[in-house]
Amino acid sequence: EAQVTQNPRYLITVTGKKLTVTCSQNMNHEYMSWYRQDPGLGLRQIYYSMNVEVTDKGDVPEGYKVSRKEKRNFPLILESPSPNQTSLYFCASSSSGAVNNEQFFGPGTRLTVL
Amino acid sequence: GENVEQHPSTLSVQEGDSAVIKCTYSDSASNYFPWYKQELGKGPQLIIDIRSNVGEKKDQRIAVTLNKTAKHFSLHITETQPEDSAVYFCAASLTGFQKLVFGTGTRLLVSP
Repeated sequence: EAQVTQNPRYLITVTGKKLTVTCSQNMNHEYMSWYRQDPGLGLRQIYYSMNVEVTDKGDVPEGYKVSRKEKRNFPLILESPSPNQTSLYFCASSSSGAVNNEQFFGPGTRLTVL
Repeated sequence: GENVEQHPSTLSVQEGDSAVIKCTYSDSASNYFPWYKQELGKGPQLIIDIRSNVGEKKDQRIAVTLNKTAKHFSLHITETQPEDSAVYFCAASLTGFQKLVFGTGTRLLVSP
């Protein structure tokens, strides 16, 4: 089944404790992206990747890192999480970075930083 | 940069009624406008999209209209059903690479 998977689905952590949220897609997609969803703010892009070893900042990149060493994986790293990073995170992928290619979203990771 | 505004934030209708969600965008260079549906506990899923060279697009009970001059686009759902209950997001994409800017979402509740 074609899908985007994220792990973990739920995570409670404390301020400053490094964490990684994994994202993997099995559709051989070139483009991958991370979003955060907050009430009243919709979905905001954190980082995106056009292909392996090619990443760039989205609208809200502060406090996050990403890497794209393999085509299928695009982990999101919070090196020193803070409470304002408490949010619902989505990974997405599409076949290419061209406009009007459908983005496929993962199921989401709900992160709470105490 | 691009800014997308979406209204209303919540919408309650009776089963069988129509529902309309409206979005406005700020950047006239945007040329792709998708709509995503997010069911409880799931990620958003594309339901319909429209490009700037088209004024209207329909797919069964859903349709999207685009007014480039006024820079607004709308989602129309006819004969609503309880399974249409979800959060709907509009988005606009700038030319070139795929950078979607999302609206703030509309929670649609369809009562039987």
